[in-house]
Amino acid sequence: IAGITQAPTSQILAAGRRMTLRCTQDMRHNAMYWYRQDLGLGLRLIHYSNTAGTTGKGEVPDGYSVSRANTDDFPLTLASAVPSQTSVYFCATSNDPSFNEQFFGPGTRLTVL
Amino acid sequence: GQNIDQPTEMTATEGAIVQINCTYQTSGFNGLFWYQQHAGEAPTFLSYNVLDGLEEKGRFSSFLSRSKGYSYLLLKELQMKDSASYLCAVKDSNYQLIWGAGTKLIIKP
Repeated sequence: IAGITQAPTSQILAAGRRMTLRCTQDMRHNAMYWYRQDLGLGLRLIHYSNTAGTTGKGEVPDGYSVSRANTDDFPLTLASAVPSQTSVYFCATSNDPSFNEQFFGPGTRLTVL
Repeated sequence: GQNIDQPTEMTATEGAIVQINCTYQTSGFNGLFWYQQHAGEAPTFLSYNVLDGLEEKGRFSSFLSRSKGYSYLLLKELQMKDSASYLCAVKDSNYQLIWGAGTKLIIKP
């Protein structure tokens, strides 16, 4: 693994289904983030984790949950997907919360029908 | 509310210079970032300004005026590979990034 990996690359999902997007990093960064990116809008923060064992809500947390059991993994779960959650999801990391740079994974393109 | 404004789209010619502006209104300020994002790819870091003035890095420079809530990204000697979206983001008082919608830069030969 080099950097940040996300899985799956893309997914088509029926509304009402549960889905977990995976994010794994090998940079030993303390902080991790989940964003969604929609056409015409800036990246919007869904949830974040400043360090393993802690999580926080971002700008658009409703319908999403996260966990941070260890430093490397930060999965994002959609409990019951809705079409408005169709988006591109990016996982990002930084060495600490007061960062000078965030590093981004390659993204997951999710379509909810 | 918090707001980051940047032009939606700009067009420039290969070899020329282009300036992409960003204005912001945020709850607190802990630095301003510029990222580049090619279509279908992840954003990649270009620059970080926390103090007023110009930061130069090769063909790219970024300027910040905190009193005016204003920044610009200057790209010199444009190349076709510079065709991308350029994202402005501000780190607010909670150390969260507030993102602009991005400026799509089209480079013509």
